[in-house]
Amino acid sequence: ELKVEQNPLFLSMQEGKNYTIYCNYSTTSDRLYWYRQDPGKSLESLFVLLSNGAVKQEGRLMASLDTKARLSTLHITAAVHDLSATYFCAVDASGGSNYKLTFGKGTLLTVNP
Amino acid sequence: DAMVIQNPRYQVTQFGKPVTLSCSQTLNHNVMYWYQQKSSQAPKLLFHYYDKDFNNEADTPDNFQSRRPNTSFCFLDIRSPGLGDAAMYLCATSRGKGVTENQYFGPGTRLLVL
Repeated sequence: ELKVEQNPLFLSMQEGKNYTIYCNYSTTSDRLYWYRQDPGKSLESLFVLLSNGAVKQEGRLMASLDTKARLSTLHITAAVHDLSATYFCAVDASGGSNYKLTFGKGTLLTVNP
Repeated sequence: DAMVIQNPRYQVTQFGKPVTLSCSQTLNHNVMYWYQQKSSQAPKLLFHYYDKDFNNEADTPDNFQSRRPNTSFCFLDIRSPGLGDAAMYLCATSRGKGVTENQYFGPGTRLLVL
């Protein structure tokens, strides 16, 4: 059974600081997704990582994938309050054959002034 | 704009009273998913359709059923809602076709069971 673990689960940081959220998964996969969820809202797609070494950046967020280590990171640079949300990683370990994602538990990020 | 639409956005039902949640999409995607998300938890996949092919998760209770009458619409039926079924229900779509591309989520329906 595929397990997806995120850490930390809770992250409180000051504006202007940098931090990294980690996503580990238990079986071979080269397909990993990051989503953002604001309170009471749906999931918004942030990044789709589809190969080893993939790196994508959008604003203050950068995501990377190391399939050999079964690890993805979401790096936050110079955090601002607007980044406060819950961030989920999700993994497809089926090789694309069953169209299913397994989600991590999410990281609740709070950025304080 | 192409999108995933869910109705209603909020649904209040009584314990044991059947309820149907609706999802429609204009993306012409092959795959449609239903997730249940309880407070402070990750989304949990209930089932998905690839075209008309229905795929139930092993741990989805029998109380939950789904219908997909055509490409655009998918329904979630909860036959006898219990208090534990109160949650956000998220519909999502993906293109499928042998590649797990991104899933696009609707705004969700928040279900309250009294």
